[in-house]
Amino acid sequence: DTGVSQDPRHKITKRGQNVTFRCDPISEHNRLYWYRQTLGQGPEFLTYFQNEAQLEKSRLLSDRFSAERPKGSFSTLEIQRTEQGDSAMYLCASSLGSPGVVAGANVLTFGAGSRLTVL
Amino acid sequence: RKEVEQDPGPFNVPEGATVAFNCTYSNSASQSFFWYRQDCRKEPKLLMSVYSSGNEDGRFTAQLNRASQYISLLIRDSKLSDSATYLCVVIGANSGGSNYKLTFGKGTLLTVNP
Repeated sequence: DTGVSQDPRHKITKRGQNVTFRCDPISEHNRLYWYRQTLGQGPEFLTYFQNEAQLEKSRLLSDRFSAERPKGSFSTLEIQRTEQGDSAMYLCASSLGSPGVVAGANVLTFGAGSRLTVL
Repeated sequence: RKEVEQDPGPFNVPEGATVAFNCTYSNSASQSFFWYRQDCRKEPKLLMSVYSSGNEDGRFTAQLNRASQYISLLIRDSKLSDSATYLCVVIGANSGGSNYKLTFGKGTLLTVNP
């Protein structure tokens, strides 16, 4: 499978617990994104990596959220002390691009998502 | 004004109908534009890019009006399989105008009925 893989696909947890999601992007893609989507809404940007560098982090991402991409390959998104409002689909996407190149560089391929339910 | 705003929908149309979706964006410096399609409980997938000159892919036509900061998607001869949520996507929608951040609209749900 050469697509974007996310794990786990579903996670049910109790309020206050920590959860971690993993994303394996398409191997040659240097850009990796995390988005969050709730019912009836479009995906909301959370954070962006170019290779291993986290270049932007949305203000939606409180201190309880942290994302890493240690070797510029897979990425993890951790949520500490989960709250019911964190319940959502967490989508990872990747693309191939370089600074200054826009046309064709930002076609995102999404993973199937990790659905989080906080009880 | 929201960075990317779409028709709220939902749209319910019979097979064979022509349907149009509209989208506006707030940052005049926005750089690139796309339409993505999202099936129920699935991930978004690229439907088509939107170019200034307008572009067509089979039954689908996308247009961009930079002066009005407006994007449209037209579906002709709609099929049952076109039922999905259509997401308008803009790069550089925020005031910083980054060339990597894709901002999604809320999406418009289309249901094509037999």
